[in-house]
Amino acid sequence: GAGVSQSPRYKVAKRGQDVALRCDPISGHVSLFWYQQALGQGPEFLTYFQNEAQLDKSGLPSDRFFAERPEGSVSTLKIQRTQQEDSAVYLCASSFPGTSQETQYFGPGTRLLVL
Amino acid sequence: RKEVEQDPGPFNVPEGATVAFNCTYSNSASQSFFWYRQDCRKEPKLLMSVYSSGNEDGRFTAQLNRASQYISLLIRDSKLSDSATYLCVVKKNNNDMRFGAGTRLTVKP
Repeated sequence: GAGVSQSPRYKVAKRGQDVALRCDPISGHVSLFWYQQALGQGPEFLTYFQNEAQLDKSGLPSDRFFAERPEGSVSTLKIQRTQQEDSAVYLCASSFPGTSQETQYFGPGTRLLVL
Repeated sequence: RKEVEQDPGPFNVPEGATVAFNCTYSNSASQSFFWYRQDCRKEPKLLMSVYSSGNEDGRFTAQLNRASQYISLLIRDSKLSDSATYLCVVKKNNNDMRFGAGTRLTVKP
C-alpha cells in the first residue's frame, strides 16, 4: 500500500516568505509526527497529533511554526516569515498506536532552503 | 548534552568486516529502543527494535544495557549495501522519540 507522502519535495523560499508543507500519512494511522532534520544531525521532534488533536507541540522552535491536522488525516506544517536557520529537511512520520514498540513510518521529507 | 549520543564516525570498513556502533542515552525513563537506517538524502527506516535480552536479525545484533544506559549495534560480514547512516532512537512514551545524530558507515570493496 501507499506509504507516507510529502509535498513539495523541495522548496526554495526567500527570507521572510511564508511556506506550507503537506503530509499525507498512511491511511488509518492515528498518530502523526513532524521532525526537523538539519544537515549532519538526526531528526528533531517538532510536534505530534493523535487524530486531529495536537497533543504535543513542545518541539516547535518558535511561534513562527504552526501545524494542523483538521480532519485527522492530512497535516500541514506552516512556517511564517522564514529565516535562513529554518533551512532543513522536514520529515513527517505516522504510526498506528499500539504497543510501545510501534513503528513510525517516515515520508521522504521536504527539503527547505531559505535564501 | 544531547539526550542520545552516538559516535558520528565515519566508519570505513572493507566488505566482510564486523563493525560495532555504540549509543548512550541520558533519560533513565526511556522505555523503547530502536536502530533506524538512513540512506543519503532518504528518509529514516526502521532497522530493528532493541530488546533488553538482546536480539539478532540475520547479520545484525542489537544489545541494550539499561543499567549503563547503553545500546549497541553489531553488523557482521558487512556488505556494500550496508553503507548508510545508523540512527540510535530512544522512546520515552508513545509519542516522544529522540534520535541520535547518527553514525555514518561506508563499506568498501
